Amino acid sequence: QVQLQESGPGLVEPSETLSLTCAVSGYSISSGYYWDWIRQPPGKGLEWIGTIYHSGSAYYSPSLQSRATISVDTSKNQFSLILTSVTAADTAVYYCVRRVTVVRGVVLHSYHFDYWGQGTLVTVSS
Amino acid sequence: EIVMTQSPATLSVSPGARATLSCRAAQSVNSNLAWYQQKPGQAPRLLIYGASTRATGIPARFSGSGSGTEFTLTISSLQSEDSAVYYCQQYNNWPPLTFGGGTKVEIK
Repeated sequence: QVQLQESGPGLVEPSETLSLTCAVSGYSISSGYYWDWIRQPPGKGLEWIGTIYHSGSAYYSPSLQSRATISVDTSKNQFSLILTSVTAADTAVYYCVRRVTVVRGVVLHSYHFDYWGQGTLVTVSS
Repeated sequence: EIVMTQSPATLSVSPGARATLSCRAAQSVNSNLAWYQQKPGQAPRLLIYGASTRATGIPARFSGSGSGTEFTLTISSLQSEDSAVYYCQQYNNWPPLTFGGGTKVEIK
């Protein structure tokens, strides 16, 4: 059974850096799939932050690209999110998620999200 | 960026009745659309992918249809445990991957 577990500080001060890690069990990140971060402000909808493949190739939402960095550590079977210069608008539940990915020849085809972490609330406040 | 618009924002349905949720894409996403269910305090759960394929373990009362820009999620006979917020999401063109704003389904 694939499981994802987010960890990191629940409180970050404005202008500081948010750092979260997602530990994956039941599946080796090195085996494939895209691994994503999604967030949800309290009472609001879902926002995609970005994604990474086990090779290290990462893609980001244009709205967050200047502040977000996603990295992967295959030796620990985990991936991480760093978000710099946070403001109150970054207060949200952050989810790490696996995205179905199929390799056909040399092309990666990605699809829906199949496994989600439970989410972790990060509050930006002084 | 492909904007996804869901309607209505809130749907109030009697137990046993049919619920019909709509999702519209600003441009064609072919059949590259998924639906998720989110209950309070929980992570979203995959219901439908490929616009019409039920995910593993999802009851048959949930069905999806549509392609291009117009999609529908139908709950054929609403149960009390179906009270939740439902999101559509396109994965045809990215980045970014985009979600609709959600439809809240309430039980009358």
